[in-house]
Amino acid sequence: VQLVESGGGLIQPGGSLTLSCAASGFTVSGHFLTWVRQAPGKGLEWVSILYSGGDTYYADSVKGRFTISRDTSKNTVYLQMNTVSAADTAVYYCTRQDVRGIVFQYWGRGTLVTVSS
Amino acid sequence: SYVLTQAPSVSVAPGETARIPCGGDNIETKNVHWYQQQPGQAPIVVISYDSDRPSGIPERFSGSNSGNTATLTISRVEVGDEADYYCQVWDSSRDHWVFGGGTKLTVL
Repeated sequence: VQLVESGGGLIQPGGSLTLSCAASGFTVSGHFLTWVRQAPGKGLEWVSILYSGGDTYYADSVKGRFTISRDTSKNTVYLQMNTVSAADTAVYYCTRQDVRGIVFQYWGRGTLVTVSS
Repeated sequence: SYVLTQAPSVSVAPGETARIPCGGDNIETKNVHWYQQQPGQAPIVVISYDSDRPSGIPERFSGSNSGNTATLTISRVEVGDEADYYCQVWDSSRDHWVFGGGTKLTVL
């Protein structure tokens, strides 16, 4: 199992950015995929989950601004980030849940998003 | 929303036992999972479902959950155990995942 995030970078407040998480060793359609973020020097914060059946859930802090999705042909999960602010500055990790769907069993190395003018 | 509370830091001497608590309202009714994060690295699971130890995690790591407190216990602490530790639960009422604020373990 491998998860590789990409798409991070410097973005201005109010802008948009899409993160990608390329998966290998399993199919994204068969597992729960999650984004977790970590602001510089801060703790972990769950952001969003995409269930294998297609349902999605979001943390209150990003609901209405972020969208999680997947492309099964590319075996990739995405996080579209809109109307970003400095509070969204963080390393964004892509994770895959365990078979029971609860534990963040596999993690990518993360991609850094910096929101600044 | 459900809140998990962790002490910011715990210090212990090498060879001693470190206990890292995680507080939550009636947390014993939830499954608690623990993650270790070394500086500059992604977290890894060290304890899942209160007390299960994934393969590759030393037997020195154990977990318990009772009342309003879950505890990660590290026996015979080594310098390499120095890291940030996070507890985590699933808030089924909202389909949200919750992390504690993290505890920095310092090995003196």
